[in-house]
Amino acid sequence: NAGVTQTPKFRILKIGQSMTLQCAQDMNHNYMYWYRQDPGMGLKLIYYSVGAGITDKGEVPNGYNVSRSTTEDFPLRLELAAPSQTSVYFCASSLTAPPYEQYFGPGTRLTVT
Amino acid sequence: GQQLNQSPQSMFIQEGEDVSMNCTSSSIFNTWLWYKQDPGEGPVLLIALYKAGELTSNGRLTAQFGITRKDSFLNISASIPSDVGIYFCAGPDSGGTSYGKLTFGQGTILTVHP
Repeated sequence: NAGVTQTPKFRILKIGQSMTLQCAQDMNHNYMYWYRQDPGMGLKLIYYSVGAGITDKGEVPNGYNVSRSTTEDFPLRLELAAPSQTSVYFCASSLTAPPYEQYFGPGTRLTVT
Repeated sequence: GQQLNQSPQSMFIQEGEDVSMNCTSSSIFNTWLWYKQDPGEGPVLLIALYKAGELTSNGRLTAQFGITRKDSFLNISASIPSDVGIYFCAGPDSGGTSYGKLTFGQGTILTVHP
């Protein structure tokens, strides 16, 4: 199993551009999550999904959108990128809750200039 | 909302030393998770705790679920250079259906000098 995979690993965007961060998991997990991690900070939840077709906002959803058409994939869309979105983005998944163990991807480092 | 406070914020130790860190909250948690994040990587789950008073080991790592349910502790024995990284505690959001959402502490940064 590859676990949770994310692409791309690095990306530089200009202000106002858009992009999609890809996330896929092959563990048949129902729940998936998107986090951002700013330097020296913990993880903040952007959006989450409890199954295909079901998504909801987390703590910091502004400027982002998500969709979940399959169990495996959970892409994160950035529209009109802003410097405040410069961060490292992590996707995670869990089977159910409980148990609450989430498994993380390797991250996407995004810079908006 | 819930908050998890980790201490210390950072530690600088010599290889071979033991390490202790903790995580505290003003509210009760029913689960405690400890993650490690290597530089440039995603967090990796180290230990999960589900019962108050529980003590669980994973190699040189030992974690404990505090009996008050408001704290948890992580110990690393005989540290080695590859222990370097950020250690996060986490617990599930409370109140209603949390859908597995976790609250994370701000992390403890560990540096090990050879």
